[in-house]
Amino acid sequence: SQTIHQWPATLVQPVGSPLSLECTVEGTSNPNLYWYRQAAGRGLQLLFYSVGIGQISSEVPQNLSASRPQDRQFILSSKKLLLSDSGFYLCAWSLGTLRFFGQGTRLTVV
Amino acid sequence: KQEVTQIPAALSVPEGENLVLNCSFTDSAIYNLQWFRQDPGKGLTSLLLIQSSQREQTSGRLNASLDKSSGRSTLYIAASQPGDSATYLCAVGDSNYQLIWGAGTKLIIKP
Repeated sequence: SQTIHQWPATLVQPVGSPLSLECTVEGTSNPNLYWYRQAAGRGLQLLFYSVGIGQISSEVPQNLSASRPQDRQFILSSKKLLLSDSGFYLCAWSLGTLRFFGQGTRLTVV
Repeated sequence: KQEVTQIPAALSVPEGENLVLNCSFTDSAIYNLQWFRQDPGKGLTSLLLIQSSQREQTSGRLNASLDKSSGRSTLYIAASQPGDSATYLCAVGDSNYQLIWGAGTKLIIKP
């Protein structure tokens, strides 16, 4: 069966520090992978999606970037965090439009 | 541009009641619609997926309906339980396999 792992679960980082959130998927090959951000009381905002190794599509311009160094690994990064980067970040993989989500990372930038 | 709205934003009902959560969308040309559940501080769990050609889907005490012409979907929860307390999100899928999300309804079931 397929599983998705996302870590860390919580993270507190100072403004200006770098960020690296990692997501891996098991039990499937060549999945579509996604990074979402969820602000309190709002829906999910798609940040990046990837249909294959090295293929990244960005949905919104921002302080973040994504990379897919391996088929089942998706990384969300920032060189210098801003206060506005605080939020709940979710990784997901898909089978068609059916999405399967990781447990999320609560990022607080202080 | 597709917009998805969920009303109400929050709902509190006593245990045992049947309830309906609403989701509306502005563009009826959808590929499918999904309902998700999110527990506090956690990821999302897919509950029901309705294809555009379908009218409803059922899973246990949950029933989701879809009326494309009116741009509406409802999630019906029968005999609610405290364990049903969570935020419920609907998402509309387009032909490019992208999802457009509602902001969610926070449901509290009081024992």
